[in-house]
Amino acid sequence: ETGVTQTPRHLVMGMTNKKSLKCEQHLGHNAMYWYKQSAKKPLELMFVYSLEERVENNSVPSRFSPECPNSSHLFLHLHTLQPEDSALYLCASSQDIGNEAFFGQGTRLTVV
Amino acid sequence: GNSVTQMEGPVTLSEEAFLTINCTYTATGYPSLFWYVQYPGEGLQLLLKATKADDKGSNKGFEATYRKETTSFHLEKGSVQVSDSAVYFCALIKSGGSNYKLTFGKGTLLTVNP
Repeated sequence: ETGVTQTPRHLVMGMTNKKSLKCEQHLGHNAMYWYKQSAKKPLELMFVYSLEERVENNSVPSRFSPECPNSSHLFLHLHTLQPEDSALYLCASSQDIGNEAFFGQGTRLTVV
Repeated sequence: GNSVTQMEGPVTLSEEAFLTINCTYTATGYPSLFWYVQYPGEGLQLLLKATKADDKGSNKGFEATYRKETTSFHLEKGSVQVSDSAVYFCALIKSGGSNYKLTFGKGTLLTVNP
């Protein structure tokens, strides 16, 4: 496998559920990111990790909890989400922060 | 802060038409500039990039030239195909300090009809 891989591709969850999104990169990059893409809104940067340390949290609600156990893996843990959290969640990586990013195919999340 | 402005869509063209999607930016110094493409149901893919003034990025028949004097990075293609239908995002990175983030435009939806 090469590139950035996200699982699952699609997820439907109830507002009381707990689920996790997974991202894996095989590019040897040091930085990883979570973005949220909602219909008719610009891409929103949620979290940035560099060498497994969180360097940015863009005022994201605590119902979204990231985890970066190593430089190749990034998770987004979800709990008690709201319907407005339904969106495409994109993971990306870059060699270091400040370099161009390579994106995964995204997880289409629907909160019911 | 940094910002990217790209033309509002949607853009609808016939196959083999000429494409231009305008992009202008605001940033201090010399950012790196990018075009990303998002096909239906997919994530973003890096299409092309330019890292200094007067550089021309090109890929898959698409081109964009980094114009410092007009702070622009317009995307062009001489003859579009149906398979080019996608959303195109202009973006910049201004490395250094806290401005290391990719800043994206809002995206332009392109539809190419046969």
